[in-house]
Amino acid sequence: DVKVTQSSRYLVKRTGEKVFLECVQDMDHENMFWYRQDPGLGLRLIYFSYDVKMKEKGDIPEGYSVSREKKERFSLILESASTNQTSMYLCASSGPGPLSGELFFGEGSRLTVL
Amino acid sequence: AQKITQTQPGMFVQEKEAVTLDCTYDTSDQSYGLFWYKQPSSGEMIFLIYQGSYDEQNATEGRYSLNFQKARKSANLVISASQLGDSAMYFCAMREGKGANSKLTFGKGITLSVRP
Repeated sequence: DVKVTQSSRYLVKRTGEKVFLECVQDMDHENMFWYRQDPGLGLRLIYFSYDVKMKEKGDIPEGYSVSREKKERFSLILESASTNQTSMYLCASSGPGPLSGELFFGEGSRLTVL
Repeated sequence: AQKITQTQPGMFVQEKEAVTLDCTYDTSDQSYGLFWYKQPSSGEMIFLIYQGSYDEQNATEGRYSLNFQKARKSANLVISASQLGDSAMYFCAMREGKGANSKLTFGKGITLSVRP
């Protein structure tokens, strides 16, 4: 069974803390994505990566960075968490090839920044 | 301009009836893909159906079908014979570009409630 695993389902952090959200997939997928989901705004793409050590900015990259040192792992980093980064974060992966590649999602990480 | 527009407020449908969830999109690409995902209250995102821009026939997957009207840039999801388990949030999404530049853009979602 294919799987995308996010390290933490729930996190509570303080303003200014550095936050790491980890995502691991076991499908040997090239592409990995980080989205955040907020009520009324749907899913917004933060960063994505199509290969090891490669990264591309999504629609809302400000305040975030990412790391892809290994193919199976894609980390989202909040250098200095702020309250407006309180959200649900969803990691996803997809295989290579044509447009038909669907995304496989993790269960999400709900982050609260106090 | 929004790439994916889902404007319906919360939708309600009676069990066993059909329901249509609207989605319009905006792209200048000739080659693109359209997706629908379901997100139940548990939070996981479940892939439902895919339509390629060059596909001549509407996609179908079991009780799900996609009413693809290319000229109108709409990709409505039709759920037939609604079940209580269909109550969830539904997201329309579009993939533009290929290879390294390919990414999926989501709409804001529609909440569907199925009444017994």
